Amino acid sequence: AQSVAQPEDQVNVAEGNPLTVKCTYSVSGNPYLFWYVQYPNRGLQFLLKYITGDNLVKGSYGFEAEFNKSQTSFHLKKPSALVSDSALYFCAVRDSRRTGRRALTFGSGTRLQVQP
Amino acid sequence: DTAVSQTPKYLVTQMGNDKSIKCEQNLGHDTMYWYKQDSKKFLKIMFSYNNKELIINETVPNRFSPKSPDKAHLNLHINSLELGDSAVYFCASSPGQVAFEKLFFGSGTQLSVL
Repeated sequence: AQSVAQPEDQVNVAEGNPLTVKCTYSVSGNPYLFWYVQYPNRGLQFLLKYITGDNLVKGSYGFEAEFNKSQTSFHLKKPSALVSDSALYFCAVRDSRRTGRRALTFGSGTRLQVQP
Repeated sequence: DTAVSQTPKYLVTQMGNDKSIKCEQNLGHDTMYWYKQDSKKFLKIMFSYNNKELIINETVPNRFSPKSPDKAHLNLHINSLELGDSAVYFCASSPGQVAFEKLFFGSGTQLSVL
């Protein structure tokens, strides 16, 4: 089975400060890991993904995420938060050993609030 | 041009009714999905089709029936609606079935069953 945990329902950060949104995962094989963002009344938008290679992945809007195999984590980070980053963030995983008959499994989401 | 479009955006109906949600993608993708997002924002896969073939069918009540007339369309029909069906339903697509492809989501259909 594959699963994702996002331990924080909400993260609050002041504008200009660094932010981290946490994610841990569980898969049988090697993971493909994703971050998506959902703005109010919108569908999810892809931010970044880890497939293989460099553990630090850079994505859209200045976000990056670090894959840590020993800790089975894939935390989302940004050096300097913007008010416009306030949204709901989802981590997702897919087991690389699975065939196409297995969809992405999403975490429960973390709401990021950036205060001016 | 909206890449993945769903209609309607809002759907309010009575218990016991039958309703449909339509989804269309103009990205030329082969694979389409339905996800359900509950009131706690938890997102769960319901169905997936690849080139009109059902490839994923999670434990969803039989009252939910997807239909894919062609690879650009994936509709969701729900019979005998129940209060617990109230949620936001998202359609998504991906180029194929490759495990690391990203998904493109529609803006969702908010279903309220009264």
